[in-house]
Amino acid sequence: KAGVTQTPRYLIKTRGQQVTLSCSPISGHRSVSWYQQTPGQGLQFLFEYFSETQRNKGNFPGRFSGRQFSNSRSEMNVSTLELGDSALYLCASSPQSQGNEQFFGPGTRLTVL
Amino acid sequence: LAKTTQPISMDSYEGQEVNITCSHNNIATNDYITWYQQFPSQGPRFIIQGYKTKVTNEVASLFIPADRKSSTLSLPRVSLSDTAVYYCLVGEPRTMNRDDKIIFGKGTRLHILP
Repeated sequence: KAGVTQTPRYLIKTRGQQVTLSCSPISGHRSVSWYQQTPGQGLQFLFEYFSETQRNKGNFPGRFSGRQFSNSRSEMNVSTLELGDSALYLCASSPQSQGNEQFFGPGTRLTVL
Repeated sequence: LAKTTQPISMDSYEGQEVNITCSHNNIATNDYITWYQQFPSQGPRFIIQGYKTKVTNEVASLFIPADRKSSTLSLPRVSLSDTAVYYCLVGEPRTMNRDDKIIFGKGTRLHILP
């Protein structure tokens, strides 16, 4: 089975711009979670989608949003980028919602200048 | 979700057994304990999961005492390639419609020396 894929792998943006990241889960997995990882804050949960519905949300501002499509692929959008949004954004899929065993993608490294 | 506490970092030498302990004093009855491993610039990778006593797989062992307020991940005969960050998570898996959030702590940065 192919693993979780994320595109793009690297991205450079400037402050004020918006960005969309994409995640394709493992075939058959219906849950997709997004995380932000920075050296200072560690791995922080953004949100989880299951069957096109947002199940859970972390403590991030409304500039961070996401959606999931009928094929379970998910996108994450960050609007009005700030310097502090520079991070590794990780996507993880799981067969079911709230699954502790998650399968992570390689991440998208976002740099905001 | 139960909060976890782990050492920030640990050093060990190749060939030794490494034990990383995680404290989770307010673990709930239905919570499982899960450990992940993360290498730089990669996503975390599931290592092992357990509920009580001892669980062993081809990679590691997980020891959970009777009160379940802590757990120990044991890595036998580590090598340089085991240098990574190890995360301990505690929560109830496979339950829909819950408001819990999947939370990773800061993890333990394990450094294996030659």
